[in-house]
Amino acid sequence: QVQLVQSGVEVKKPGASVKVSCKASGYTFTNYAIHWVRQAPGQGLEWMGSISANNGYTNFAQNLQGRVTMTTDTSTSTAYMDLRSLTSNDTAVYYCARGHPTVTTLGIFAYWGQGTLVTVSS
Amino acid sequence: DIVMTQSPDSLAVSLGERATINCKSSQSVLYSSNNKSYLAWYQQKPGQPPKLLIYWASTRESGVPDRFSGSGSGTDFTLTISSLQTEDVAVYYCQQYYSIETFGQGTKVEIK
Repeated sequence: QVQLVQSGVEVKKPGASVKVSCKASGYTFTNYAIHWVRQAPGQGLEWMGSISANNGYTNFAQNLQGRVTMTTDTSTSTAYMDLRSLTSNDTAVYYCARGHPTVTTLGIFAYWGQGTLVTVSS
Repeated sequence: DIVMTQSPDSLAVSLGERATINCKSSQSVLYSSNNKSYLAWYQQKPGQPPKLLIYWASTRESGVPDRFSGSGSGTDFTLTISSLQTEDVAVYYCQQYYSIETFGQGTKVEIK
């Protein structure tokens, strides 16, 4: 079965960086993009960007351009999201997500990781 | 970016009654070449990731109870829960995947 397992809780100081991992299993990793979605406490869902696990092509939300990097390691079927210059506004649960098996190229998020809480506090 | 606006922000419905959530996009998410609306609905319960319910505006995901249905096209969409159950208490989000993915602000569904 498809599983996305994310790394654990992170606590960071303002100005620092955080790297969250998402290990995929149960499918051919390079057949799908990995998307990242975040959710601030008590707030809605915000799409951050995506990376093709096949060719590394990335696409980012405009408000995060220049602060976010997404990478993959196909040898371990793991995706990474790196966010720099953190502020308190970046405090959120970060999710990785994968597309639907019948529509592999579109952002229909059929599978989700369990979420990683990132807290930014001095 | 396409802005998704849901209404209402919250609603309370009696058990067994119908719940209706609306979602409006700032521009059409209907792709003319295949006549499909690029709209999905998700359910999120506290402490859990979202769960896909509906895609292509009206296609129910495998395993989703048939009391959940989606309708609409172009810019106006509706998620209907035909007979609310206790396990349906959650926040529901619409999302467009026509262009850069964006979500609605969410609608909280509670039991009256």
